[in-house]
Amino acid sequence: DIQMTQSPSSLSASIGDKVTISCRASQYISSRVNWFQQKPGKAPKLLIYDASNLQSDVPSRFTGSGSGTDFILTISSLLPEDFATYYCLQIYDVPFAFGQGTKVDFK
Amino acid sequence: QVQLQLSGPGLLKPSQTLSLTCAISGDSVSSNTVAWNWIRQSPLGGLEWLGRTYYTSKWNTEYAPTLKSRITINPDTSRNHFSLQLNSLTPEDTAVYFCARGFRSSLDFWGQGALVTVSS
Repeated sequence: DIQMTQSPSSLSASIGDKVTISCRASQYISSRVNWFQQKPGKAPKLLIYDASNLQSDVPSRFTGSGSGTDFILTISSLLPEDFATYYCLQIYDVPFAFGQGTKVDFK
Repeated sequence: QVQLQLSGPGLLKPSQTLSLTCAISGDSVSSNTVAWNWIRQSPLGGLEWLGRTYYTSKWNTEYAPTLKSRITINPDTSRNHFSLQLNSLTPEDTAVYFCARGFRSSLDFWGQGALVTVSS
């Protein structure tokens, strides 16, 4: 089974900061990565699919990059509504697997 | 707009069977361009994919190997929903359960989540 290792597990940031979150797959997964944002009590919300494609209605300050085994989610300039937990997902092969999550909180 | 609505009991005892349904609006369970997934989230926050069903020229199901002996996912074309059954429950099955649509290479629409607690 393919595993996803996500880092960091948490980070503290300020409004306007650039934030980067990484995921590494245990084997080649092409560009088959989703990135999600989750707020307390809510379902995960799709931000990025196919590693770098922005889901409709998602602000352009969110970008994704990478292919093969290494992937990055970048938030270019943090806004108050971006404080949340972020997860990557490999959707290359079943069983699909999520990263452990990165909690972004206020510094 | 696709919407997914979960229903099912919230409190169960060990050894019982969990049954959840996910009602679909804005799409069809029989569509041959999507898949219908179940995911759960433990109290500590980790997300786990459980399995999916989808229709090509026949119905297909795929399950997480760790649950394969206990899980069943079924489509219901007459009600346009799909269901999850998980038997032989233990407290480790306590989680928030989600259903989600798989479209191309994404899980794009999710249900609201349902907390299931397994406790004696």
